[in-house]
Amino acid sequence: SQQGEEDPQALSIQEGENATMNCSYKTSINNLQWYRQNSGRGLVHLILIRSNEREKHSGRLRVTLDTSKKSSSLLITASRAADTASYFCATDDTGRRALTFGSGTRLQVQP
Amino acid sequence: GAGVSQSPSNKVTEKGKDVELRCDPISGHTALYWYRQSLGQGLEFLIYFQGNSAPDKSGLPSDRFSAERTGGSVSTLTIQRTQQEDSAVYLCASSPRGLAETQYFGPGTRLLVL
Repeated sequence: SQQGEEDPQALSIQEGENATMNCSYKTSINNLQWYRQNSGRGLVHLILIRSNEREKHSGRLRVTLDTSKKSSSLLITASRAADTASYFCATDDTGRRALTFGSGTRLQVQP
Repeated sequence: GAGVSQSPSNKVTEKGKDVELRCDPISGHTALYWYRQSLGQGLEFLIYFQGNSAPDKSGLPSDRFSAERTGGSVSTLTIQRTQQEDSAVYLCASSPRGLAETQYFGPGTRLLVL
């Protein structure tokens, strides 16, 4: 079963607005990663945040991690139509050797 | 350099047939993963290879599923006696060393079992 759960499942915004997606997980982790998927094909890595980090930035992306609440958020600022995709969080659960992916947030950015 | 490649891109097969899916990881990456993604769902871990260690097969859904990795590089995922519920996108990923790292994904193989 999926450990990570993204919220919301779907999000539709206008170009230029900010998009926030949340991820909750259940077990202790070494790190948490966010991936993007276009059209149900291969995933592209966006950002990795380690368990001892609280916030990380990469371009228009901002990720936060709250290990006490077992949650993370991904903020995309000044969204563009090209940001339309599905976004997944993935946790590197301690004790496992593979990433555990959530069910994803489908983001639609209207031009 | 070249990324992860998978073949075929699409595969349509009849229920009961066997299928083989291939993954070519990034050269030099010791870790290789197979995932399955059903329509509109997240990724389901299937199997993990790390170097010469015994693979982690804990995610394989049944004994109809098996995978090999030859020479520490190319991997083949085999599904025997396919069922309709096997229809999904099968994604392969590799990473330089394994744990706690970015994974690099291939484009996937879309399998449809009729």
